[in-house]
Amino acid sequence: DVKVTQSSRYLVKRTGEKVFLECVQDMDHENMFWYRQDPGLGLRLIYFSYDVKMKEKGDIPEGYSVSREKKERFSLILESASTNQTSMYLCASSLGRVEQYFGPGTRLTVT
Amino acid sequence: GQQVMQIPQYQHVQEGEDFTTYCNSSTTLSNIQWYKQRPGGHPVFLIQLVKSGEVKKQKRLTFQFGEAKKNSSLHITATQTTDVGTYFCAGGSSASKIIFGSGTRLSIRP
Repeated sequence: DVKVTQSSRYLVKRTGEKVFLECVQDMDHENMFWYRQDPGLGLRLIYFSYDVKMKEKGDIPEGYSVSREKKERFSLILESASTNQTSMYLCASSLGRVEQYFGPGTRLTVT
Repeated sequence: GQQVMQIPQYQHVQEGEDFTTYCNSSTTLSNIQWYKQRPGGHPVFLIQLVKSGEVKKQKRLTFQFGEAKKNSSLHITATQTTDVGTYFCAGGSSASKIIFGSGTRLSIRP
């Protein structure tokens, strides 16, 4: 059974902290994605990766960076967390141009 | 840049009524995907349409892809309480990246 896991379901951080969100998939998928979900705005793509050490900016990359050192792991980094980064963060993976499998999400609150 | 618009934002129906959500892209799409997100859950893939004018059915759900491959719809016949959730369309135009619509949240009066 396909599985995408995220390191935390809930996270509370202070403004200015460096935040790491981890995502692991066990399906040997080449593509991995990070989205944030906010009410009324749907899912907005932050970054995606189509191979190890490869990354591309999505629609809202400002304030974020990513790392993909291994095929199964894709990390999202908030270099200096701000209150406007309070959101639900969803990781997904896919094989080619087909369905994306989502993790359970991390609800991040920045105070 | 490419945009995918989805309407309506909310729909509240009586159980047994039909429901439709519409998706429009500013550019021609290579494919369209539909996802469902239950309250408190994560998006789950429902279906992908690839061909111009394609129509696919899953039980009470009917999915259509427009002739120009710029719009799509999801129609649910005779809604049930299990249909509650937010339905997202997602349009693909290049590589493996897709753009999600803002979603339609469906709520149902029993």
